[in-house]
Amino acid sequence: DIQMTQSPSSLSASVGDRVTITCRASQSFNRHLNWYQQKSGKAPKLLIYAASTLQSGVPSRFSGGDSGTEFTLTISNLQPEDLATYYCQQSFTSPLTFGQGTKVEIK
Amino acid sequence: QAQLVQSGAEVKKPGASVKVSCKASGFTFTGYYVHWVRQAPGQGFEWLGWINVKSGATKVSQKFQGRVTMTGDTSITTAYMDVTSLTSDDTAIYYCARERVAGTYYYGMDLWGQGTTVTVSS
Repeated sequence: DIQMTQSPSSLSASVGDRVTITCRASQSFNRHLNWYQQKSGKAPKLLIYAASTLQSGVPSRFSGGDSGTEFTLTISNLQPEDLATYYCQQSFTSPLTFGQGTKVEIK
Repeated sequence: QAQLVQSGAEVKKPGASVKVSCKASGFTFTGYYVHWVRQAPGQGFEWLGWINVKSGATKVSQKFQGRVTMTGDTSITTAYMDVTSLTSDDTAIYYCARERVAGTYYYGMDLWGQGTTVTVSS
C-alpha cells in the first residue's frame, strides 16, 4: 500500500497568514493526488484534484503543488472559516489511501 | 441540486451484517463511480472500495475482500454496501462519495453523502 505522510499534524496561524501543508508519498506517482477539507462533524469537501486543479467553487486562496513524491496544499490569506482538518488522498492505485490529517487552528 | 443521501444510523452486534444505502439525485448517476470510505471515531479515513454504477464493476480493498460487497441499482439511482462479520473495529461513520473518471483521469470525490454511523457493540 502507498503510505501518505502529512506534516505538520497540526498548526496554528493568524488570519491573513500563508499556510503550507505537505504530503509525502511512499512511492512516486504522477499527480494522482487530491486534497480535502473536513470541518467538525461534517463530510469532507474536495478542494484540489490532480495535485493542482482547483475544484469548482473553492476559493482561489487554496492551491496545490507537487514535486516528485511531495505534494503541498497552500492556503494564502488564511480566513476564520478555514478552521478544519485537511487530508491528502492518492488515487493512483488500490487501495486508495489518505494522509492522517492536518488540523488547522486560527490564533 | 446534486446530492447523496445515506440511510440512517445502525447498531449491530458482533458477527452481524449491515447494509448501507446511498441515494443519488440531481445528477447523472451512471456517469460516476461511487466510493465507500469510513472514518473511525477521532480517526482518519479508510477506503473500502468503489463501484462503477454503469457497468456494475467493483474494486474492493484487499483488506475487506470477502466481507464487503458493493452493488448499485440504476433504476432507483442507489448504491449499496454490505459489510458482514462485523466486529467492534468496524464501528465508524461510513460515507459514500462520487467521482467522475475519464480514462485514466480522476476528478476526485467531489460529492459526499452525510455519513452513516455504524456502531458494533454487544
